[in-house]
Amino acid sequence: KQEVTQIPAALSVPEGENLVLNCSFTDSAIYNLQWFRQDPGKGLTSLLLIQSSQREQTSGRLNASLDKSSGRSTLYIAASQPGDSATYLCAVREGSGNTPLVFGKGTRLSVIA
Amino acid sequence: DTGVSQNPRHKITKRGQNVTFRCDPISEHNRLYWYRQTLGQGPEFLTYFQNEAQLEKSRLLSDRFSAERPKGSFSTLEIQRTEQGDSAMYLCAIQTGSSYEQYFGPGTRLTVT
Repeated sequence: KQEVTQIPAALSVPEGENLVLNCSFTDSAIYNLQWFRQDPGKGLTSLLLIQSSQREQTSGRLNASLDKSSGRSTLYIAASQPGDSATYLCAVREGSGNTPLVFGKGTRLSVIA
Repeated sequence: DTGVSQNPRHKITKRGQNVTFRCDPISEHNRLYWYRQTLGQGPEFLTYFQNEAQLEKSRLLSDRFSAERPKGSFSTLEIQRTEQGDSAMYLCAIQTGSSYEQYFGPGTRLTVT
């Protein structure tokens, strides 16, 4: 059974710092991996999607990498801002492109002004 | 705007009552997923549809839960004889095109008293 772990569970950084969020998964036979952001009491916002054949994806100040063989992904946030404060969730999809996502518990990020 | 609306956004009900949630994708997407998220946890898969066919159900979906997607557009999730353990955020997601990226609605927060 696929398990997704996110470390750390919570992180507090001063504004302007670069930071890395970690995600690991137990079964490397994934189809793709998706990073989401969730604000308190809200739904999930898709940030980046990495296909299993890709090594990284970038969007603005965000960069996600994937090392499928070692079962790891990282989300790099450059020049953090208070508006980046949220919970970041990592999710993997196994098998085909239509199977459900398996989520980690998330990393709660606070960026202090 | 993720292209998915959910109603109601909040529901408070007494134990033993039945509740129904609705998910409306703005445009047609053949795959629609339901997830449940409890406090401090990542979303967990409940069920998904391809068009009007319900293709997979999680073991979390007890016989008190039923989901439908008539005509392959909107979807409803009904919980009968609610229990306090049903208190959670219920999230609907659609899947787009060839990238298999999932987009989530804002969720319905259920509180069972």
